[in-house]
Amino acid sequence: DGGITQSPKYLFRKEGQNVTLSCEQNLNHDAMYWYRQDPGQGLRLIYYSQIVNDFQKGDIAEGYSVSREKKESFPLTVTSAQKNPTAFYLCASSISATFSGNTIYFGEGSWLTVV
Amino acid sequence: AQRVTQPEKLLSVFKGAPVELKCNYSYSGSPELFWYVQYSRQRLQLLLRHISRESIKGFTADLNKGETSFHLKKPFAQEEDSAMYYCALKAAGNKLTFGGGTRVLVKP
Repeated sequence: DGGITQSPKYLFRKEGQNVTLSCEQNLNHDAMYWYRQDPGQGLRLIYYSQIVNDFQKGDIAEGYSVSREKKESFPLTVTSAQKNPTAFYLCASSISATFSGNTIYFGEGSWLTVV
Repeated sequence: AQRVTQPEKLLSVFKGAPVELKCNYSYSGSPELFWYVQYSRQRLQLLLRHISRESIKGFTADLNKGETSFHLKKPFAQEEDSAMYYCALKAAGNKLTFGGGTRVLVKP
């Protein structure tokens, strides 16, 4: 079954702890993205990567970090510096960062709750 | 900076009635616009894109550069159209900016 796999689906974290969300894709896509989805605010871009070993900050990168050591993997770390981490996180990928009109595919998402 | 605005958070219509979801954008470059849909318990997925000029599931959307809009329309709504709809704009570097979303509820 091809596509984008996010894990875990549900995660609870204590305040002050870092947590890493996994995102793996077997679509051979160059570009990968992390979005945060909050009620009434739509999706906001956290980080994106156009190619291996490269990534850029999105609109709300503060308190988050990423790495792109492998083409198929783009893990997101929610650090203790993120003031309001409880949210639904969506990972996505697309064939190329520059190809006009290419489709972005989404994972099923991960729910993070800080307790 | 690019921005996408969906003014309606909720649209409730009866089956068979027309439905129009509004989307306005601001972007200094040449825009590339999309509509994404998220059905209950499913992944967010592409519905249509303006460059394709296609009709998907009876939905159409026309890019109006003068009014900076990309409204989504369907003449006869069906119950299976109930979902969350997001308008999105692709900027330089393939960065996709989303609007706040509109929930559509089609009543029988």
